[in-house]
Amino acid sequence: GAGVSQSPRYKVAKRGQDVALRCDPISGHVSLFWYQQALGQGPEFLTYFQNEAQLDKSGLPSDRFFAERPEGSVSTLKIQRTQQEDSAVYLCASSQWTGGNEQFFGPGTRLTVL
Amino acid sequence: GESVGLHLPTLSVQEGDNSIINCAYSNSASDYFIWYKQESGKGPQFIIDIRSNMDKRQGQRVTVLLNKTVKHLSLQIAATQPGDSAVYFCAETSWTQFYFGTGTSLTVIP
Repeated sequence: GAGVSQSPRYKVAKRGQDVALRCDPISGHVSLFWYQQALGQGPEFLTYFQNEAQLDKSGLPSDRFFAERPEGSVSTLKIQRTQQEDSAVYLCASSQWTGGNEQFFGPGTRLTVL
Repeated sequence: GESVGLHLPTLSVQEGDNSIINCAYSNSASDYFIWYKQESGKGPQFIIDIRSNMDKRQGQRVTVLLNKTVKHLSLQIAATQPGDSAVYFCAETSWTQFYFGTGTSLTVIP
């Protein structure tokens, strides 16, 4: 595709439900990042993949958060037993190479936990 | 974690004036810096970047200045237009982790 896409764009979950957020990066991009953005704040790093390898997951806030990228392209961020504090926009970004270089962001998934 | 902060949370400028948005970073090991623009309901959009071996980089109507001595980054927008109204973030990285500041909301007054 022309850019990074994410689905769903909006998700409402009841507290305790599991959710899965999908990211389709730009084709051929090696690196993929997940961020959490609270209202009025900057994005906060969650995790980083280089191809299918999850090289950094230090930003995941708890063991309820899990991310995968099994074939080195599409990635899924899963949140188990959602809590109200998980409400945020979840952004996915990809970049062509590894390490510090330009990231292209998707539109994000707005998660609201009731 | 590292912190990246902005001096001014909001900025209003007249259309046609120049805008300056400032950012302080804390990790002296960071070697790559990016400015992003984020409009409501959209993901951040790349504006301009700079590596630590440079102190100035210019793009179309935008200039980024990097002062490593005081760990300060600024974004200058020339002839600000209504379409420039958005939240602007600076981000720093030393490899795989990108740290974003809180953001400055720029409003352009017609």
